[in-house]
Amino acid sequence: AQSVTQLGSHVSVSEGALVLLRCNYSSSVPPYLFWYVQYPNQGLQLLLKYTTGATLVKGINGFEAEFKKSETSFHLTKPSAHMSDAAEYFCAVSDDTDKLIFGTGTRLQVFP
Amino acid sequence: SAVISQKPSRDICQRGTSLTIQCQVDSQVTMMFWYRQQPGQSLTLIATANQGSEATYESGFVIDKFPISRPNLTFSTLTVSNMSPEDSSIYLCSVDQGTNEKLFFGSGTQLSVL
Repeated sequence: AQSVTQLGSHVSVSEGALVLLRCNYSSSVPPYLFWYVQYPNQGLQLLLKYTTGATLVKGINGFEAEFKKSETSFHLTKPSAHMSDAAEYFCAVSDDTDKLIFGTGTRLQVFP
Repeated sequence: SAVISQKPSRDICQRGTSLTIQCQVDSQVTMMFWYRQQPGQSLTLIATANQGSEATYESGFVIDKFPISRPNLTFSTLTVSNMSPEDSSIYLCSVDQGTNEKLFFGSGTQLSVL
């Protein structure tokens, strides 16, 4: 069975600081990994995904994530936080089906 | 990218009643998914809806409580039946436009049951 663990339900950073949101997964097959963002009162938007190939994945809004098989991790980073990045972020894993298993989410707060 | 319209965007319902949520996609898709996001929690898959067959429900979800229709390749409905306050959640429709390439989500239906 697959599962996703997001460490830290809340993360607070100052504007301009590094953003690091942690995600660890478990999967018995090579995983597909995703990060979604949910802005207040909106649906989910795909930030980036890893399926195969390059382990460093670049997404929208300056975010990127690195797939580390040895650490079973897929942490999300952004070099410099912006106020508009404040949102809920969800890591998700999928196998070769179409089902997504979501983590519990991390709420990112950005302070001026 | 797919554009998904969900209706209603929010509703407040009385205990014991039912609500039908509609999901309309601007392109034909094979698989549609319904998720529930309970307050302060992550998303949980309710069921997978394929056109022309019965929906496949995940553990803990049953057809009598969450009947789903999928009459064509661009439309699906989810009904939340005999509602109780525990059903207060955001319900999201999602579609797949290519295996594991990308899942698109609707903006969700925020349901409050009194």
